[in-house]
Amino acid sequence: GAGVSQSPSNKVTEKGKDVELRCDPISGHTALYWYRQSLGQGLEFLIYFQGNSAPDKSGLPSDRFSAERTGGSVSTLTIQRTQQEDSAVYLCASSLDSSGGYTFGSGTRLTVV
Amino acid sequence: RKEVEQDPGPFNVPEGATVAFNCTYSNSASQSFFWYRQDCRKEPKLLMSVYSSGNEDGRFTAQLNRASQYISLLIRDSKLSDSATYLCVVGVSGGYNKLIFGAGTRLAVHP
Repeated sequence: GAGVSQSPSNKVTEKGKDVELRCDPISGHTALYWYRQSLGQGLEFLIYFQGNSAPDKSGLPSDRFSAERTGGSVSTLTIQRTQQEDSAVYLCASSLDSSGGYTFGSGTRLTVV
Repeated sequence: RKEVEQDPGPFNVPEGATVAFNCTYSNSASQSFFWYRQDCRKEPKLLMSVYSSGNEDGRFTAQLNRASQYISLLIRDSKLSDSATYLCVVGVSGGYNKLIFGAGTRLAVHP
């Protein structure tokens, strides 16, 4: 597509439920990144994909967080047993290769109530 | 200590003013440097890359001092449309271009 597409744009979920966030990168971009941004905070790195593999998942905050990428394209970030501190905007970015500049999607605003 | 530190602001300036933002980074092995702009409730967008020799893009000038691990952004003749949060971003090596973001400096330009 023309840009990085994320869905849903907004998600409200009850504490303890699982959520899935989706990212559709720019066509042909091999590198994909997930970040999250809590209110008034900077972007926090979560995970990096090159193709379908994740060489750097050092930013995932706990084992409740997981991500996968299939076909070198779409990625899903799954948060199990959501907690209120998971509330944030989850941003996905892609780049042409592992050295390139990032293009961000518009994010998924997650609210855990 | 945060890897990338910025003054959070806000900087409140009148139209036409010149304003400067500063940023320091802790990783001396950092290899690439950027300023991103983020509008309220929007995603970050690349404003400009920062080079050691300094670079200018219209009203915006960016400088890098590797010895001091310091990055700056100067905005001349501020416009109302410049109101946003400016993120200092550092790329660290490690097999790929991993970007570390500062928390941002908020700029409000008023008439």
